[in-house]
Amino acid sequence: EAGVAQSPRYKIIEKRQSVAFWCNPISGHATLYWYQQILGQGPKLLIQFQNNGVVDDSQLPKDRFSAERLKGVDSTLKIQPAKLEDSAVYLCASGETNTEAFFGQGTRLTVV
Amino acid sequence: AQSVSQHNHHVILSEAASLELGCNYSYGGTVNLFWYVQYPGQHLQLLLKYFSGDPLVKGIKGFEAEFIKSKFSFNLRKPSVQWSDTAEYFCAVIPWGNNRLAFGKGNQVVVIP
Repeated sequence: EAGVAQSPRYKIIEKRQSVAFWCNPISGHATLYWYQQILGQGPKLLIQFQNNGVVDDSQLPKDRFSAERLKGVDSTLKIQPAKLEDSAVYLCASGETNTEAFFGQGTRLTVV
Repeated sequence: AQSVSQHNHHVILSEAASLELGCNYSYGGTVNLFWYVQYPGQHLQLLLKYFSGDPLVKGIKGFEAEFIKSKFSFNLRKPSVQWSDTAEYFCAVIPWGNNRLAFGKGNQVVVIP
């Protein structure tokens, strides 16, 4: 079974630039999560989709972050404009409802 | 605020020592519970999970965890660690009804050969 695919693996941008991350979840998984993991901390949920609808985006900084999940499959997370404190690993995960999530390798973002 | 707490963020052990990592959650209702592991350079992987039934669950690589409802705890144990257990361990919770997977801050475990 193919896992959760994320790209790119690494990204370095200057502050105030824009960046986008892509995620392809495991086929058939209705739930898709985006997490932000800052060094030394646990993953922080940014946004959660159930199929193509948002069920929780309470911790998403909506002034600069946006995400979409077209057709209930792939998802993109965008940051515009980026700040230094956005440097982190961005994790995508997918799962069936109320069960464990399967994680991708993550995208390590460095904002300079 | 509802949360997942993990203490003793950094743990250093010698091989063959026993490991126990604590996890407490503050959600009042029924929950699904998980322990994830992240080996150096790898993605998060599921170690074990608890949904219902026997509160002592066994996972991969000799790990087990015990759910104690009265203490809101789900502690992870391994009787004898190996150098390859060096990793970061995360406790996570899904409260029934909101499907939101929330993580603790993690425990960085280093096993010295």
